[in-house]
Amino acid sequence: NAGVTQTPKFQVLKTGQSMTLQCAQDMNHNSMYWYRQDPGMGLRLIYYSASEGTTDKGEVPNGYNVSRLNKREFSLRLESAAPSQTSVYFCASSESGGWDTQYFGPGTRLTVL
Amino acid sequence: AQSVTQLDSQVPVFEEAPVELRCNYSSSVSVYLFWYVQYPNQGLQLLLKYLSGSTLVKGINGFEAEFNKSQTSFHLRKPSVHISDTAEYFCAVSENQAGTALIFGKGTTLSVSS
Repeated sequence: NAGVTQTPKFQVLKTGQSMTLQCAQDMNHNSMYWYRQDPGMGLRLIYYSASEGTTDKGEVPNGYNVSRLNKREFSLRLESAAPSQTSVYFCASSESGGWDTQYFGPGTRLTVL
Repeated sequence: AQSVTQLDSQVPVFEEAPVELRCNYSSSVSVYLFWYVQYPNQGLQLLLKYLSGSTLVKGINGFEAEFNKSQTSFHLRKPSVHISDTAEYFCAVSENQAGTALIFGKGTTLSVSS
């Protein structure tokens, strides 16, 4: 099993450009999450999907949109990138939520110039 | 609302010394508590978690943590650290219901030197 995969691994954007970060899991998990990690800030939740067909905002949703394409895939879109969105983005999945272990992907390092 | 405070941002120790990484949480409901580890340039992986039952929880790589409800703490300990334990450690909390996400602390960088 590959676990949680993310593409791309690295990306450089110019301010105002758009892009989509892709995430897929092969563990048949119901819940999926997008976090951003910034130095000294820990991980902050952007959006999550408790189950296929549902999405909810996390702590820092502004400037992002998500799509739960199917049970396996959960994408994160930046419509108009800003330098403040320079970060490392992690996707995670879990069996359902709450008490379940979250499994993390390797991350996408995004730089917005 | 829940929150997690990791009391030390950096903890330097020598190899084979004991270590404690401190975590306090606040929540108005029952919670689940987790410690995750992030090795350089990798994603996070679970060290251990407390769901219920015994307040002393053992995890991977010789780590353990103790849940203290009265002090709202979940401190992580290891009696003897190795160079390979150098990493960033995150304490996290979630509420006792399905469909809720984790709230992470800001992390503690453990640096083990010889």
